[in-house]
Amino acid sequence: DTGVSQDPRHKITKRGQNVTFRCDPISEHNRLYWYRQTLGQGPEFLTYFQNEAQLEKSRLLSDRFSAERPKGSFSTLEIQRTEQGDSAMYLCASSLVQSLAISYEQYFGPGTRLTVT
Amino acid sequence: GQQVMQIPQYQHVQEGEDFTTYCNSSTTLSNIQWYKQRPGGHPVFLIQLVKSGEVKKQKRLTFQFGEAKKNSSLHITATQTTDVGTYFCARGSARQLTFGSGTQLTVLP
Repeated sequence: DTGVSQDPRHKITKRGQNVTFRCDPISEHNRLYWYRQTLGQGPEFLTYFQNEAQLEKSRLLSDRFSAERPKGSFSTLEIQRTEQGDSAMYLCASSLVQSLAISYEQYFGPGTRLTVT
Repeated sequence: GQQVMQIPQYQHVQEGEDFTTYCNSSTTLSNIQWYKQRPGGHPVFLIQLVKSGEVKKQKRLTFQFGEAKKNSSLHITATQTTDVGTYFCARGSARQLTFGSGTQLTVLP
């Protein structure tokens, strides 16, 4: 399967713990996005990378959240000191961007469902 | 703000009936993308509309972009049980997508 993969698929953690999620994009894609989705809502943008550079972060991304894409391939999203409000599906998406001026279709991974107890 | 509003939130139809979901913005959209998310699944890209008044078809699905580029619609003719899911429109930019809240479609056999 050459689609976007995410690991783990499910994570249950206690409030105050740190968690880290991994995303492996489609191999030739140069852009990687992180979104958060809660029940009954559309995905909400968190951040994106162009190759290894993190170019934009949403206001939703508090200082407890950090994302990296060290070699321009896979990415990690870490949440420190988790809170119950962090419970959501965390989706990763990737795309092949050839022009910085227009938008492109995004390929989503299966997501990591986080439950904070 | 930059939000897109979708209506209706829920739609139940009998198999074979038609279905339409609408996406509206208070500001001009440079483009609009549509995604489908099956229950328990992830969003899957359907189409992108860029031009004013654009109409695109994919089998039983018809997508329209308004003349003023402030609204869009997705119409499904003769729904099937495989059409079940949530349909999202998303405002596209060079940097990110801003999703609507989606229309959840239930198709009754």
